[in-house]
Amino acid sequence: AQSVTQLGSHVSVSEGALVLLRCNYSSSVPPYLFWYVQYPNQGLQLLLKYTTGATLVKGINGFEAEFKKSETSFHLTKPSAHMSDAAEYFCAVNKTYSSASKIIFGSGTRLSIRP
Amino acid sequence: DAGVIQSPRHEVTEMGQEVTLRCKPISGHNSLFWYRQTMMRGLELLIYFNNNVPIDDSGMPEDRFSAKMPNASFSTLKIQPSEPRDSAVYFCASSPGLKETQYFGPGTRLLVL
Repeated sequence: AQSVTQLGSHVSVSEGALVLLRCNYSSSVPPYLFWYVQYPNQGLQLLLKYTTGATLVKGINGFEAEFKKSETSFHLTKPSAHMSDAAEYFCAVNKTYSSASKIIFGSGTRLSIRP
Repeated sequence: DAGVIQSPRHEVTEMGQEVTLRCKPISGHNSLFWYRQTMMRGLELLIYFNNNVPIDDSGMPEDRFSAKMPNASFSTLKIQPSEPRDSAVYFCASSPGLKETQYFGPGTRLLVL
């Protein structure tokens, strides 16, 4: 069965530092993988997604993620953190069975940015 | 496009009362999802529809919860009777198809006293 595990419920980095949010997935079929961001008091917003093709995926706001099948990982990175990146980030995998499909979300990682 | 529209944005009610949450998906989207978010349980998928038909309602907590999608532009999530443990933020999301990107509404913050 498909699932995702986000390592670290809270990550804190300094402004300008590298952001690394970890996500590992399990899937018996080629997965679709997503990163969503949730700002305070708002709904989730797609950052980026991997379906097929290039394993390095670039998203909005300078974020990118790399699909590594051998490591079953889809970690999210950003070279230089901004204060505006403070939010909660969710990794998700698409679960497919028979003719139906749904996205399974991880438990989320709260990113804090220190001035 | 206005995005996914949810109403009300906030709801405060007393235990035992009926609560109805409403959602208008993005025009042209075929799939609609209802989620619940709490500190304790995180983001949970309650039910989703494809072409107005419920596909998977295994996330609905119990019989007090029901959801309908009478047409492509409207869905409701009803709780009857409501209980304090139902207090949460309820999100509606829509997507062009089941495997496509989901677009979330702003959520309804429900407080049951």
